Amino acid sequence: DGGITQSPKYLFRKEGQNVTLSCEQNLNHDAMYWYRQDPGQGLRLIYYSQIVNDFQKGDIAEGYSVSREKKESFPLTVTSAQKNPTAFYLCASSIGVTGELFFGEGSRLTVL
Amino acid sequence: AQTVTQSQPEMSVQEAETVTLSCTYDTSESDYYLFWYKQPPSRQMILVIRQEAYKQQNATENRFSVNFQKAAKSFSLKISDSQLGDAAMYFCAQETSGSRLTFGEGTQLTVNP
Repeated sequence: DGGITQSPKYLFRKEGQNVTLSCEQNLNHDAMYWYRQDPGQGLRLIYYSQIVNDFQKGDIAEGYSVSREKKESFPLTVTSAQKNPTAFYLCASSIGVTGELFFGEGSRLTVL
Repeated sequence: AQTVTQSQPEMSVQEAETVTLSCTYDTSESDYYLFWYKQPPSRQMILVIRQEAYKQQNATENRFSVNFQKAAKSFSLKISDSQLGDAAMYFCAQETSGSRLTFGEGTQLTVNP
């Protein structure tokens, strides 16, 4: 079945550590996105990529980094520079024409 | 910057009744897409309905329909014959340039038996 796989589902990290969240899709979509979800704030865009080897900052990119070496993969690294990293992270992809997003199940990051 | 506003943080409805969730947005573009997504307790985001701005006819998907008022920049979601499985957080979203979506803050819908 086609879809988006995020891992890990739950992740704990100590302050000062970098952590990488995985996102893999087999939908053959060109565009991929990372959103952050905090209670009462909806979803905010961190980074997005419309094509391999290219990506753009979203609204809250500070403290995060991404790569897009393969069409299927768009990992997100939460660096130690991110001041408040505890959140729920959602990866999504789209064909890019209609704007409709297909989402993974999310990853919950907790900084101890 | 584009903004999407959902003015109802929480709503409740009796099973089998109808409920309407409100959404307003702000854009200078003439052609765009609008969406309603549902996020149940599992946290998996699910597309409920989509509206293309150049289409005057309101979109409908079974028990879900929208009231799209382009001039007023309003995009409300109506759920008819509400079911217990409709209980979820609902997000309104607008497509911005580059196929990015801007989301509202969400409305938590409770369905009472």
